[in-house]
Amino acid sequence: HLQLQESGPGLVKPSETLSLTCAVSGDSISGSTNYWGWIRQSPGKGLEWIGSFFSSGNTFYRPSLKSRVTISGDTSRNQFSLKVTSVTAADTAVYYCARVGHSSHWAPDHWGPGILVTVSS
Amino acid sequence: QSDLTQPPSASGTPGQRVTISCSGSSSNVERGTVHWYQQVPGTAPKLLIYGDDHRPSGVPDRFSGSKSGILASLAISGLQSEDEATYFCAAWDDILNAPVFGGGTKLAVL
Repeated sequence: HLQLQESGPGLVKPSETLSLTCAVSGDSISGSTNYWGWIRQSPGKGLEWIGSFFSSGNTFYRPSLKSRVTISGDTSRNQFSLKVTSVTAADTAVYYCARVGHSSHWAPDHWGPGILVTVSS
Repeated sequence: QSDLTQPPSASGTPGQRVTISCSGSSSNVERGTVHWYQQVPGTAPKLLIYGDDHRPSGVPDRFSGSKSGILASLAISGLQSEDEATYFCAAWDDILNAPVFGGGTKLAVL
C-alpha cells in the first residue's frame, strides 16, 4: 500500500529557506518506473507543479521557480526533499508530495496529506 | 491564473447529471492526456480519472471523462450529496515539460 508523508517546519521567515521531506513507503524512489514530484496549493487557489525527481537522479523544475528550487532524493531512506530559497509570502501554501505513475498514464496518482507552510516573520 | 481553464462553480440536484469543462491548448490538453481530481476541503486531491477516460479502481462508474481537441470534460451522473467537492483537471504540458492544472470547479449539490 503506497503512502507518502510530508514533514518539515510549518513556519518560515521571509528570505529564508523552506525545507520539506517526503517519506515514501510501498514503492521505491530509486527502482521505480514512476517518478516523484512536489505540488503546492496557495490558500483558496489552484494547484501548481513545483518540480520532479526521477529514479535516475535527474530533476526538472517549473521554469518560474527554477532559480530558487532544489529537489533531491535519499535512496537509503526512500525519501525525497524540497528546498525553496529566498521565500516570500507568495510561497505560503499547502505543499504536497506525489507519485507520478506510469500505470496511470503519468498522472500524479498518490499524494501525501499535505503540509501547510506559512511564510511570516 | 491557472494554465487550464475551468468554470469556478457548478451545481446540480441529487440524481442529476452534471458536466465540468476544462479548456487548455495544443501543448497540453490536445497533445497529452487529461486527468481529473476530486478534493474535499482539508484533504489532498484524489485521482478520479486518468488518461482522459480511465477510472482508478474504487472510483464509481458515475464518473466519466472525455476529450475533444483542447477541451476535456468530466461528467458525473446520478449526483449524490457526497460528490460536493472541488474538481481539478490536469494535463502534461509539452512546453513547460511539467503537469499543469486547472483552477478548480466547486460543485454544489443543492
